[in-house]
Amino acid sequence: NAGVTQTPKFQVLKTGQSMTLQCAQDMNHEYMSWYRQDPGMGLRLIHYSVGAGITDQGEVPNGYNVSRSTTEDFPLRLLSAAPSQTSVYFCASRRLVQETQYFGPGTRLLVL
Amino acid sequence: AQSVSQHNHHVILSEAASLELGCNYSYGGTVNLFWYVQYPGQHLQLLLKYFSGDPLVKGIKGFEAEFIKSKFSFNLRKPSVQWSDTAEYFCAVIALQKLVFGTGTRLLVSP
Repeated sequence: NAGVTQTPKFQVLKTGQSMTLQCAQDMNHEYMSWYRQDPGMGLRLIHYSVGAGITDQGEVPNGYNVSRSTTEDFPLRLLSAAPSQTSVYFCASRRLVQETQYFGPGTRLLVL
Repeated sequence: AQSVSQHNHHVILSEAASLELGCNYSYGGTVNLFWYVQYPGQHLQLLLKYFSGDPLVKGIKGFEAEFIKSKFSFNLRKPSVQWSDTAEYFCAVIALQKLVFGTGTRLLVSP
């Protein structure tokens, strides 16, 4: 098992550009989620999904879109990047009930 | 909305000192509780978890945590820290399907 994989590892964007952060898991986990990590603020939940075709907003969803067309993939889209979206993004997955959440290695995003 | 509070933002200890990091959560229902660690430049790793049963749970690397339901707390402890424990520690709770994190505690262990 590769676990949770994320691409790219690093990305630099200009304000207003769009991009998609990819996340995939091969553990057949129903639940997937995206977090951003900023100094002094811990990890904040952006969006999550409890299964294919189902997504919902977390704490900080503004400026981000997600979709879940398959169990394995959960891409995060930035439609028009802003400097405030400079952060480290982590994708995670787990089974729905009483299970540990597994994290990907993260994507470092810099928006200029 | 459920939340997690970690009261110590930065902790500095000497090697062999004892560690206790505080964690309180606000949710009255059934919760699953976690402590994660993030070593410099790395992603999160699970230290330990509590789902049910014995409220004193033991994790990896000599860490343990105690769930006290009446205090809504899940404090992390280690009797004797090592330099290699230098990292950021996050308490987290699953409530209503979502995993919510505290803001983290940066631990620096000096040799």
